[in-house]
Amino acid sequence: EVQLVESGGGLVKPGGSLRLSCAASGFTFTSYTMNWVRQAPGKGLEWVSSISYNNRYIYYAAPVKGRFTVSRDNAENSLYLQMNSLRAEDTAVYYCAREDSLENFDYWGQGSLVTVSS
Amino acid sequence: QSVLTQPPSASGTPGQRVTISCSGSSSNIGRNYVFWFQQFPGTAPKLLTYRNDQRPSGVPDRFSASKSGTSASLAISGLRSEDEADYYCAAWDSSLNVRLFGGGTKLTVL
Repeated sequence: EVQLVESGGGLVKPGGSLRLSCAASGFTFTSYTMNWVRQAPGKGLEWVSSISYNNRYIYYAAPVKGRFTVSRDNAENSLYLQMNSLRAEDTAVYYCAREDSLENFDYWGQGSLVTVSS
Repeated sequence: QSVLTQPPSASGTPGQRVTISCSGSSSNIGRNYVFWFQQFPGTAPKLLTYRNDQRPSGVPDRFSASKSGTSASLAISGLRSEDEADYYCAAWDSSLNVRLFGGGTKLTVL
């Protein structure tokens, strides 16, 4: 069974940092591009970042470029999102999502809440 | 403000057919695949359709999607109360090199 489990969310002050993790199981992690998608309270979905299976292709949404860094550890079947210089507008539930060869976001984690507030 | 434009709300009565639109541009919907997601409150989104008009296994054929030019649409026929949810379109943008989501449409079953 495919499982994606996010962790690392919490309350952080503006300007602070946080690292999210996504533990993957039930599939060959090294074969898939992985994504981070966030959703601010009461708002819609916003794609954040993606990283290809071999780290060759990494993309970021404009609002997080230069502040967030996506990475993966294929040996540990884990995806990460290092978030620096956090702002109030980064407050959201962050989901990791698997992207298959047809570009489908076919499996999602349950989400991890990040709250940026003083 | 999303680059993919959806109506914020839609509604219908049980049994009706409802359509949700998604408008983009030549750099996203016009040249890349469109995907639709369904999301219930407090839960992760679920893939509803992919590659413009394909349904994953397990998705009822009451859900159908299409694309024409720089617009796409999701149709739900035989509307049921359990279809009440938020619906999002998505597409890759080749100019921005980002994945875009529409602003979402809240479907109410009256």
